[in-house]
Amino acid sequence: ETGVTQTPRHLVMGMTNKKSLKCEQHLGHNAMYWYKQSAKKPLELMFVYNFKEQTENNSVPSRFSPECPNSSHLFLHLHTLQPEDSALYLCASSQGEDFQETQYFGPGTRLLVL
Amino acid sequence: GDSVTQMEGPVTLSEEAFLTINCTYTATGYPSLFWYVQYPGEGLQLLLKATKADDKGSNKGFEATYRKETTSFHLEKGSVQVSDSAVYFCALSAGGTSYGKLTFGQGTILTVHP
Repeated sequence: ETGVTQTPRHLVMGMTNKKSLKCEQHLGHNAMYWYKQSAKKPLELMFVYNFKEQTENNSVPSRFSPECPNSSHLFLHLHTLQPEDSALYLCASSQGEDFQETQYFGPGTRLLVL
Repeated sequence: GDSVTQMEGPVTLSEEAFLTINCTYTATGYPSLFWYVQYPGEGLQLLLKATKADDKGSNKGFEATYRKETTSFHLEKGSVQVSDSAVYFCALSAGGTSYGKLTFGQGTILTVHP
């Protein structure tokens, strides 16, 4: 059971396309996160939003553009991606109060860039 | 910087066997430690966590003890089931300027055969 949903679950796009990933949390949390999960690499934190303010950008290329219009929704806008950007993109949320708190993950969007 | 090292997988066991997945960490200060599990086609779920030295986290028969002297947080289960087949991730959260940042190990694939 998860209170974090992600759409779409699968996405295939060309390198010249523009697409967006959507994440919604139903847990009343204030912090939201984007992670990238590539094969044979540890999960990488991309962005952190706390109370709609971006608090972390982990040296992510500008072809990834996050947007957090409110505490319940998080988007990841994609443009001119590269094949090496193919990965599972996971969204997570947490209370946003304490570094000891649990993060709750969505099921992810499986992205393939051709 | 912070880092987490997990034992290499994959791990293959027979049902009812004893499981240990080793995890060691490097961090400044006093991090919180987590084990997350990812079942096929799903996002990550918290399995257990510990927030201070000598704490033991436990859930669904899994246990891990926060050992500051050895900087370890090894995952154990006395009798695994086929349904435990998944990928297991050790992670830490260090707070301070790293607030909200979960640092993950590379994951260990566990397969349990009947």
